[in-house]
Amino acid sequence: SQQGEEDPQALSIQEGENATMNCSYKTSINNLQWYRQNSGRGLVHLILIRSNEREKHSGRLRVTLDTSKKSSSLLITASRAADTASYFCATDAGGGSEKLVFGKGTKLTVNP
Amino acid sequence: EAEVAQSPRYKITEKSQAVAFWCDPISGHATLYWYRQILGQGPELLVQFQDESVVDDSQLPKDRFSAERLKGVDSTLKIQPAELGDSAMYLCASSQRGNEQFFGPGTRLTVL
Repeated sequence: SQQGEEDPQALSIQEGENATMNCSYKTSINNLQWYRQNSGRGLVHLILIRSNEREKHSGRLRVTLDTSKKSSSLLITASRAADTASYFCATDAGGGSEKLVFGKGTKLTVNP
Repeated sequence: EAEVAQSPRYKITEKSQAVAFWCDPISGHATLYWYRQILGQGPELLVQFQDESVVDDSQLPKDRFSAERLKGVDSTLKIQPAELGDSAMYLCASSQRGNEQFFGPGTRLTVL
């Protein structure tokens, strides 16, 4: 069963705009990760945020984590056409397991 | 930069045939994962290895799927016999303990 659930399912924006994607999960976690997947390709790791962290930055990416609400958000600033991809959040299954449970993803389209 | 290698990239087979996928993880990564991703969904873990040992195969349909990692390095995932519902992307990933997972490009399987 899937733990993470991304929202929205699809997002279409213009180049230069910011894109925000949300992820909600159900059980306690040790960390939460965001991945990007270009059409028909493998996943690329973006950011890992641990349960004791609230915010993390990497270039144009900003991830927040609210463990009290069991939610996370991924913000992409100044989007580019090359950011067009599906974005997935993944949570560990808890209990020391390294197993990742992925959501269904948000399909982002950045129009030039 | 080190990458996870997978082959073949594409496989078309007829139902009831046997298929096999190969994965070579990043050197030094003790943990190896096989995921199945159905179109429009997030990846779902099939099997996880720690070195040559299976850590989690709870979602592996063991009547037709098998996986091995004999020397704790590369791995093979086999399906015999293939069914129409097995059409999906099969992704391999590897990680160092407790860290982010690195994915290969995947094998797109089509069962006719």
